[in-house]
Amino acid sequence: TQLLEQSPQFLSIQEGENLTVYCNSSSVFSSLQWYRQEPGEGPVLLVTVVTGGEVKKLKRLTFQFGDARKDSSLHITAAQPGDTGLYLCAGAEGSQGNLIFGKGTKLSVKP
Amino acid sequence: NAGVMQNPRHLVRRRGQEARLRCSPMKGHSHVYWYRQLPEEGLKFMVYLQKENIIDESGMPKERFSAEFPKEGPSILRIQQVVRGDSAAYFCASSPLHSRLMIGNEQFFGPGTRLTVL
Repeated sequence: TQLLEQSPQFLSIQEGENLTVYCNSSSVFSSLQWYRQEPGEGPVLLVTVVTGGEVKKLKRLTFQFGDARKDSSLHITAAQPGDTGLYLCAGAEGSQGNLIFGKGTKLSVKP
Repeated sequence: NAGVMQNPRHLVRRRGQEARLRCSPMKGHSHVYWYRQLPEEGLKFMVYLQKENIIDESGMPKERFSAEFPKEGPSILRIQQVVRGDSAAYFCASSPLHSRLMIGNEQFFGPGTRLTVL
């Protein structure tokens, strides 16, 4: 069974700081997705990375897929309180493509 | 452009009762996935359905749980004789194509149904 490990589990920072969260696996994934989930809501898709070494930018968020397609990182520049939430990475498993999720990084950005 | 809809948002059941959770996928999407999220845990895949077909139910408990996605109407996740351990948030996601045909297998999630078993 493929597993995705996310780190850190919790992160509390001040507004304006930069941060990076990680998603690691011993398995190769054909693609990885990053979601953000707020309390009481469903995950919202942020980005999908497909190619090893790929870098995608979404405003202040930068996503990277490892060359071997086993790991990914999310970097946030100048974090804002609105970035607070649970950040989940997910990879497609097997031939059917159902997603395996990490446990997430719970980010809190204080004003 | 309505997203994935789930109802009810909150459901309270006593042990032994039945729970029915509904999911209407995004317009144009014919593939539905159900996931369960326990407190402090990630989402766990349960079942993948296409209209009138169960594609993959490898994540679903063998007993008491069933799912369907009829030709007309929403997808239903049914839990019979609920126990306290069934208390969780249940999320439905949809996609427009079979996952094997999509680069990236992007799935779009509903707001979830929070089931509490007393």
